[in-house]
Amino acid sequence: NAGVMQNPRHLVRRRGQEARLRCSPMKGHSHVYWYRQLPEEGLKFMVYLQKENIIDESGMPKERFSAEFPKEGPSILRIQQVVRGDSAAYFCASSPDREAFFGQGTRLTVV
Amino acid sequence: GEDVEQSLFLSVREGDSSVINCTYTDSSSTYLYWYKQEPGAGLQLLTYIFSNMDMKQDQRLTVLLNKKDKHLSLRIADTQTGDSAIYFCAESYGGGGNKLTFGTGTQLKVEL
Repeated sequence: NAGVMQNPRHLVRRRGQEARLRCSPMKGHSHVYWYRQLPEEGLKFMVYLQKENIIDESGMPKERFSAEFPKEGPSILRIQQVVRGDSAAYFCASSPDREAFFGQGTRLTVV
Repeated sequence: GEDVEQSLFLSVREGDSSVINCTYTDSSSTYLYWYKQEPGAGLQLLTYIFSNMDMKQDQRLTVLLNKKDKHLSLRIADTQTGDSAIYFCAESYGGGGNKLTFGTGTQLKVEL
């Protein structure tokens, strides 16, 4: 049973471009969570999704950020018109119940 | 709102015990977790405890929970160099799925 898979591991974008981060949850997990980790900080919750539904997006910036978890395929976190402040590690976690399993993260660098 | 705090650094000698502390403010926390993060890697779940328990032991790891003081600790017995990492405590509450609120992390350095 493969773990939570995130890709790409590293992503470099110029200011103003779009960043698209993918997360495939563990087999059988229908809950996906996205977190952001700024340098030297802990993880901050962004959004919680189940298949085709956003359950809690209280941690998502109101503009430029969106997330989806379609019926088929991975969950996608999309950041439009990236700015330098978006540079961070973005982690996805999936959960069947009480235990959340994290992916290796995508490290986004905006230049 | 929720707030989880940890001390930033801890240095111990190999073979000694390490104790990493965490305080939280949300009294509705249902589960409390300890995660380990090695450089450039994701988070590895070490253990978790339900809020109606006060202790949980798993091999070299012992978790103590003082719900009255909202204090959580992780004790690592016989600390090894491979235990060097950042340790995060996190909390969740029953009504929020498994949405976690993380502490700032404690960097554990194990010296020979």
